[in-house]
Order: sequence, then structure tokens, then C-alpha cells
Amino acid sequence: DIVMTQTPLSSPVTLGQPASISCRSSQSLVHSDGNTYLSWLQQRPGQPPRLLIYKISNRFSGVPDRFSGSGAGTDFTLKISRVEAEDVGVYYCMQATQFPLTFGGGTKVEIK
Amino acid sequence: QVQLVESGGGVVQPGGSLRLSCAASGFTFSNYGMHWVRQAPGKGLEWVAFIRYDGSNKYYGDSVKGRFTISRDNSKNTLYLQMNSLRAEDTAVYHCAKTITMAQADYWGQGTLVTVSS
Repeated sequence: DIVMTQTPLSSPVTLGQPASISCRSSQSLVHSDGNTYLSWLQQRPGQPPRLLIYKISNRFSGVPDRFSGSGAGTDFTLKISRVEAEDVGVYYCMQATQFPLTFGGGTKVEIK
Repeated sequence: QVQLVESGGGVVQPGGSLRLSCAASGFTFSNYGMHWVRQAPGKGLEWVAFIRYDGSNKYYGDSVKGRFTISRDNSKNTLYLQMNSLRAEDTAVYHCAKTITMAQADYWGQGTLVTVSS
């Protein structure tokens, strides 16, 4: 199984400041079709997960452009350019390149 | 708009069975693969099972293989999860999720809580 490791576990951020979350996979996430199926999800308190980014860097419908994804192979990053109060929650990376699908352990973003 | 509504959760004794349903609307259900993903109280996300758009292929997480069965009825726009031989560690909120491309999940339902306890 592919192990997804996220850092940091927690990220206290000042409103308006940037935040960055890293995700590393135990093996390459490049699929045989050439795509890399790495997604980022946001889970606000009491809510189901919400897709933010898919295939490393594609913002999903309705996602603000302050969210961006980057990376390749085994190392990936989610960046929030200017954190807003509504961004509080837990963020997960997820790989869908290979079954079983696996998730990172989550990064809690909170306001300082 | 896409809606996924899970139902069927509840309290069940260890060794018991439960069937979850996920009613889908707002998209052509028969065109998309679907997932079940669970989240134990206060914990992270765990993938449970996936079924292709036409039901031809199914995949399971190791922790549920042989006990859970994913299925779908495209005529009813409904996804199912039959859960047998339930254990305390199966206690979680169970979400269904639609796929966007390949097995990537985009829309998620609110979830239904399954509690396995004597």
C-alpha cells in the first residue's frame, strides 16, 4: 500500500498570512496513463470532506484561487496564499493512483 | 447540483449486519465510479470500497475485505454497502463519494454514523 505522510500535523496561522502543507508518498504516484492522481481535501468542523485540488494542481469548481497545489512524483504541496477564517479545518492529501486509495494523516489549520 | 445522501446507519451489535444506501442526484449516476470512505470518531479518513460505473469491478480495503460488499443499482441512482460480521473498529461515519476522473473523489455526502457496540 502507498503510505501518505503529511507535515505539519498542525499549522497555526495569522489571518492574511500564507500557509503550506506538505505530503509525501512512499512511492511514485505517476499512473501508467501518465497522470498523477494526487488530491487535496478540506474538512471543516462538522462537515464532510470537500475537494480542493485534483491531479496535483487543478483547482476544483468553486475553489478560491488562494488555494494552489504543486509537486511531482512523491512530493506535493498545498499552499494557501492568504489564510481566511473560513479556511480553518483539517486538510488531507489523497492518492487515487493505485488501490487501495490512501490518505495522509491530516493537517489542522487554525488561526493564531 | 450534485447531491449524495447516505442512510441506513445505526447501532448494531458486534457480529451483526447493516446495509447502507447512498441516494445520488444532480448527475448521471451510471457514468461514474463511486466510493465508500469512513471516518472513525476524531480520526482521519479511511477508504473502504470502490465500484466502477457499471459495477464490473469492485475494490476493497484490507480491513473490510470478505465482510463488506459494495454494489449499485443504476436504475435507482443508488449505491449500497452491505456490512457483515461488524466489529467495534468499524464504528465510524460512512461517506459515499462520487469520482471525477479515474478513482479521484470529488463530491462527498454528509455521511451516516455506524456504531458497533454491545
